[in-house]
Amino acid sequence: EVQLVESGGGLVQPGGSLRLSCAASGFTFTTFAMGWVRQAPGKGLECVSAISGSGGDTYYADSVKGRFTISRDNSKNTLYLQMNSLTAEDTAVYYCAKYTSLYPTYNWFDPWGQGALVTVSS
Amino acid sequence: EIVMTQSPPTLSVSPGERATLSCRASQSVSSNLAWYQQRPGQAPRLLIYGASTRATGIPARFSGSGSGTEFTLTISSLQSEDFAVYYCQQYNKWPSWTFGQGTKVEIK
Repeated sequence: EVQLVESGGGLVQPGGSLRLSCAASGFTFTTFAMGWVRQAPGKGLECVSAISGSGGDTYYADSVKGRFTISRDNSKNTLYLQMNSLTAEDTAVYYCAKYTSLYPTYNWFDPWGQGALVTVSS
Repeated sequence: EIVMTQSPPTLSVSPGERATLSCRASQSVSSNLAWYQQRPGQAPRLLIYGASTRATGIPARFSGSGSGTEFTLTISSLQSEDFAVYYCQQYNKWPSWTFGQGTKVEIK
């Protein structure tokens, strides 16, 4: 069974940093692209970042470009999202999600992790 | 950016009735469209991909149709566990995948 377990969420002050982790199991991690999708309280879904199976290709939404960095450690089956210069607009549940092939092009998310809440507030 | 517009925002349906949800893309996404279900307090779950292919384990009462810019998700006979928010997502335009704003299916 595929499992994705996020960790690292919490309360952070504006301008601060946080690193999310997503531990993956139940599949060959290196052969699938991965992504982060966030959902602000009471709002819809936004694709924040994606990374190919090898880690060589990455994508960022304009809203986080230059502030967030996605990475993966294929030896540890773990996906990361380093978030810097956080603002209140970054407050959201962050979901880790698996794509269905090596690259995220023409691909959908299946499955999703349970999510990690990030709250940016003073 | 491709804008995905879902309608209606809220759909009130009685158990056992049929629900029809719509999703429109601002430009053609071919058949590169997925539907997700999100129950309260849970993560989204894949229902449909390729506009009309049910994901593994999804009941046959869920069906998807459409291509280009107009898409439909139909739930043929609503069960209690189907009351949730449904999102469409286009994955045609790399690297900008976009979601619709969601349709909440509530009990009438």
